[in-house]
Amino acid sequence: GESVGLHLPTLSVQEGDNSIINCAYSNSASDYFIWYKQESGKGPQFIIDIRSNMDKRQGQRVTVLLNKTVKHLSLQIAATQPGDSAVYFCAENNYGQNFVFGPGTRLSVLP
Amino acid sequence: DADVTQTPRNRITKTGKRIMLECSQTKGHDRMYWYRQDPGLGLRLIYYSFDVKDINKGEISDGYSVSRQAQAKFSLSLESAIPNQTALYFCATSDEHNEKLFFGSGTQLSVL
Repeated sequence: GESVGLHLPTLSVQEGDNSIINCAYSNSASDYFIWYKQESGKGPQFIIDIRSNMDKRQGQRVTVLLNKTVKHLSLQIAATQPGDSAVYFCAENNYGQNFVFGPGTRLSVLP
Repeated sequence: DADVTQTPRNRITKTGKRIMLECSQTKGHDRMYWYRQDPGLGLRLIYYSFDVKDINKGEISDGYSVSRQAQAKFSLSLESAIPNQTALYFCATSDEHNEKLFFGSGTQLSVL
């Protein structure tokens, strides 16, 4: 199998609880951010994005918060389900330049 | 059918061999990318192409080459594979109006 995420930080949450995954980004000029979900054996899948003129954006069961002051991005997952178990990583983009990806966090949902 | 298809899914090869990884897409996107993923590291960009006649080096292009055979096809070659090229490789696409990347399922390459 893949060796993705062998050394990743892990967040374990109880099924039904809320999850918060954090990401510190590097470039204060970055203006566009994406959260991706990567399940075992699959490619990264888009979850939600946010532009730098916003500080919060909500999707279905997910919310992204952006704090430009401290260059911090978070992903909140409400009522975490077993299907949410995956590696989550953030990506930042600076005005159409190529994305810079974080290393990711492994989310484990406990029954 | 997958929008971004990578072949093969898995490959084991020996040091010094030439390897080609292929990517095709049905999304109609002009922009295509090759990334590699290593344990504990973020995705790193190898090469990218904004249209058929455009090829650009990414962060870690040494030891790799690419070919954009058509809008829908972008292949990655390792001319002489070495063990530290063992990694999970992803192809991705995007269009010029929406920077969002769409990824294939990946190719796990092992160089012995």
